[in-house]
Amino acid sequence: SQQGEEDPQALSIQEGENATMNCSYKTSINNLQWYRQNSGRGLVHLILIRSNEREKHSGRLRVTLDTSKKSSSLLITASRAADTASYFCATEGSYIPTFGRGTSLIVHP
Amino acid sequence: DTGVSQDPRHKITKRGQNVTFRCDPISEHNRLYWYRQTLGQGPEFLTYFQNEAQLEKSRLLSDRFSAERPKGSFSTLEIQRTEQGDSAMYLCASSPGGLGANVLTFGAGSRLTVL
Repeated sequence: SQQGEEDPQALSIQEGENATMNCSYKTSINNLQWYRQNSGRGLVHLILIRSNEREKHSGRLRVTLDTSKKSSSLLITASRAADTASYFCATEGSYIPTFGRGTSLIVHP
Repeated sequence: DTGVSQDPRHKITKRGQNVTFRCDPISEHNRLYWYRQTLGQGPEFLTYFQNEAQLEKSRLLSDRFSAERPKGSFSTLEIQRTEQGDSAMYLCASSPGGLGANVLTFGAGSRLTVL
């Protein structure tokens, strides 16, 4: 079973636009992470937000967390063709990060 | 250290055969995880180790699956009597452990195709 659910499942935008993807989860968490996966490769960690944090930034990434709504969002600003990948949220209650189904992002040059 | 290594990258086998995958984590990482990923899905947790101890196994891990981490270093995942439904990418990840968040470093994966 998968804890988080990303929305939308697929997103297609033009280079330079912003991309927003959302993650909803069901049970209480200690932290939430976002990972990226290029086709046929392993996942790469992007950013972590703890349950007592509401917003974090890293370069062109902005993550928010609303524990009352059990949801998080990942914003990629000024997208580039190289941002084309699948993005997964992972929630962690006790030592086991649990992944959603992911959002497939395509950025057209 | 160059990261998490997995071997082989690709494995094609016939139904009923046994296969074994190996994972070499980042050397100073105490925790090691195995996940399975099928097309269009996120990684599904299979099992994890804290040093050499296997601390949790998913219900997905049938008795045909076994994982080991001797001496708390590399790990192997063996699938016996493979079935077509076992076709997937098998991902290994490691993390430093401790009380902080588990930030996972993934390997490139081992893709299994069962004919």
